[in-house]
Amino acid sequence: SQKIEQNSEALNIQEGKTATLTCNYTNYSPAYLQWYRQDPGRGPVFLLLIRENEKEKRKERLKVTFDTTLKQSLFHITASQPADSATYLCALGGYSSASKIIFGSGTRLSIRP
Amino acid sequence: GAVVSQHPSWVICKSGTSVKIECRSLDFQATTMFWYRQFPKQSLMLMATSNEGSKATYEQGVEKDKFLINHASLTLSTLTVTSAHPEDSSFYICSALEGGQGNQPQHFGDGTRLSIL
Repeated sequence: SQKIEQNSEALNIQEGKTATLTCNYTNYSPAYLQWYRQDPGRGPVFLLLIRENEKEKRKERLKVTFDTTLKQSLFHITASQPADSATYLCALGGYSSASKIIFGSGTRLSIRP
Repeated sequence: GAVVSQHPSWVICKSGTSVKIECRSLDFQATTMFWYRQFPKQSLMLMATSNEGSKATYEQGVEKDKFLINHASLTLSTLTVTSAHPEDSSFYICSALEGGQGNQPQHFGDGTRLSIL
């Protein structure tokens, strides 16, 4: 069956450290993968998109990798800050239609001062 | 840029009432919009894809007569929950694709919390 799994429901790390979130999928062949941030009671906010032929993407303190052999994406936040605390969602796209995406269950990240 | 406004943000109504939720792209045109449902501490579940000027495409298990979608213009899609019951209580979120291209970020509204008494 098709699955998208994010490494843990919750992750708690010290401010200043690098947060690493994992997204694994089975029985999908996505053309691209996206990462979103969602704060409580709000809609998701787009962070990064990485295509199947790309290994790595960076944006300021954020880095995403995409390994289509392992069927895994890693999302890193370097020099983490308490303001980075939120739920992070990975989403796979381009597997059935160009624009439709399917979300993972999310990881709730807490950065403690 | 790329702002999506969703209204209302919160609604409480009696069982049997129909509720309309609006999703507007404020500063761009959206050929394609999406409607999601989210239960507490769970991820977003796609309900339907709304295309301007044509019928919506519903995901498996979503009743099209229960959740009516209209996308009459390039900046507005509406979701009407007809004859709502307590089990329809949820957080409903819309998103829009700028330009209708695939392989692009979706811009989300801030959701509508629907509570049916």
